[in-house]
Amino acid sequence: NAGVTQTPKFQVLKTGQSMTLQCAQDMNHNSMYWYRQDPGMGLRLIYYSASEGTTDKGEVPNGYNVSRLNKREFSLRLESAAPSQTSVYFCASSEGSSLGTGANVLTFGAGSRLTVL
Amino acid sequence: AQRVTQPEKLLSVFKGAPVELKCNYSYSGSPELFWYVQYSRQRLQLLLRHISRESIKGFTADLNKGETSFHLKKPFAQEEDSAMYYCARRTYNTDKLIFGTGTRLQVFP
Repeated sequence: NAGVTQTPKFQVLKTGQSMTLQCAQDMNHNSMYWYRQDPGMGLRLIYYSASEGTTDKGEVPNGYNVSRLNKREFSLRLESAAPSQTSVYFCASSEGSSLGTGANVLTFGAGSRLTVL
Repeated sequence: AQRVTQPEKLLSVFKGAPVELKCNYSYSGSPELFWYVQYSRQRLQLLLRHISRESIKGFTADLNKGETSFHLKKPFAQEEDSAMYYCARRTYNTDKLIFGTGTRLQVFP
């Protein structure tokens, strides 16, 4: 049982390059999330998906796109990377509160460290 | 906006001392609040949630609606408690979880 798997673990990009961070979960969770973690800023929600085919903006969505093509996978795309997007990115999933109170506990991936030069 | 505030970036204590990590939230009825922890080289994980009223690893947190706070407490800190602690809340009527800026706890021997 792998839980939440993110790839790649590390990536260096040049300004203007594009890339996609992949995330997959094997827990049959409904909700999936992308966060970024920056020193002094904590964890900030980029995008959220309540179910397959639906996505919703979080606190800092600018410069990112997401895709939830199926229940397992939720990808994050940077179309034109900027140095301000240098960060550690975390994917997470949860059962989803439609299953009852307390089902909103997040399981996190190991993180992807992205550097944009 | 539904915010979570953690006023301390760093909290340093000696082993055996009491610990209180502060968390305040913006008022909105009945919030759903959590504490998550990130130990060195480990994944972020749930520590506890207010709805369960539980004690995990000696930590407790009580929801105080009057003060809009959800402070994390432990009477006697241990070195293995050293970690990054995040307070989080579920936003109203969605499954989105908003996190605070985090507090790093350092417990010295």
